[in-house]
Amino acid sequence: DTEVTQTPKHLVMGMTNKKSLKCEQHMGHRAMYWYKQKAKKPPELMFVYSYEKLSINESVPSRFSPECPNSSLLNLHLHALQPEDSALYLCASSQDLNSVTVYNEQFFGPGTRLTVL
Amino acid sequence: QKEVEQDPGPLSVPEGAIVSLNCTYSNSAFQYFMWYRQYSRKGPELLMYTYSSGNKEDGRFTAQVDKSSKYISLFIRDSQPSDSATYLCAMSVDSGGQNFVFGPGTRLSVLP
Repeated sequence: DTEVTQTPKHLVMGMTNKKSLKCEQHMGHRAMYWYKQKAKKPPELMFVYSYEKLSINESVPSRFSPECPNSSLLNLHLHALQPEDSALYLCASSQDLNSVTVYNEQFFGPGTRLTVL
Repeated sequence: QKEVEQDPGPLSVPEGAIVSLNCTYSNSAFQYFMWYRQYSRKGPELLMYTYSSGNKEDGRFTAQVDKSSKYISLFIRDSQPSDSATYLCAMSVDSGGQNFVFGPGTRLSVLP
């Protein structure tokens, strides 16, 4: 199984709502990532988890809260978002962050398209 | 100057054409060079990666890296309508995933 799944596929939320995005992989990968992608732009890294611990937070506003409950799951909790947060949110996973002998291919999920009204 | 620059496109070619996609970069520490393909409303998928300089071929796709010129290319031979997608170059200093830098992407349309 070389698939990263993400739910939901689409999400529309108001600025006062609380919602969560979910990501799952069963490839035994120990590194998982959240990216944000605006239309016609490349993905921008938001968070990196390594062995279920937050490794990188790219100065993301606190209205985005990641969580890694176990090695297969990655959540992104959303609260009090702004319309400019509307984007495609991509999850990815790779074997780990620190292999020096093999390239760590990142496998991307299909994304959740988020619209904030 | 952006760290990674890419021909913006969009690029339209007839079926069967040879396509050349290019990126330039400024950070001489980059050692891993990747090409991703992203179909509309899908996540990126890795097409090819190259470590350091040289060429790499996989079927109709050839990746070239010229570190002296800080320039990478992806060639697609006998292009097909199914190749229509956005192509993103990406680079990193190490093999870990936390230091990826993506180019802005080139949208390619292959017309039947």
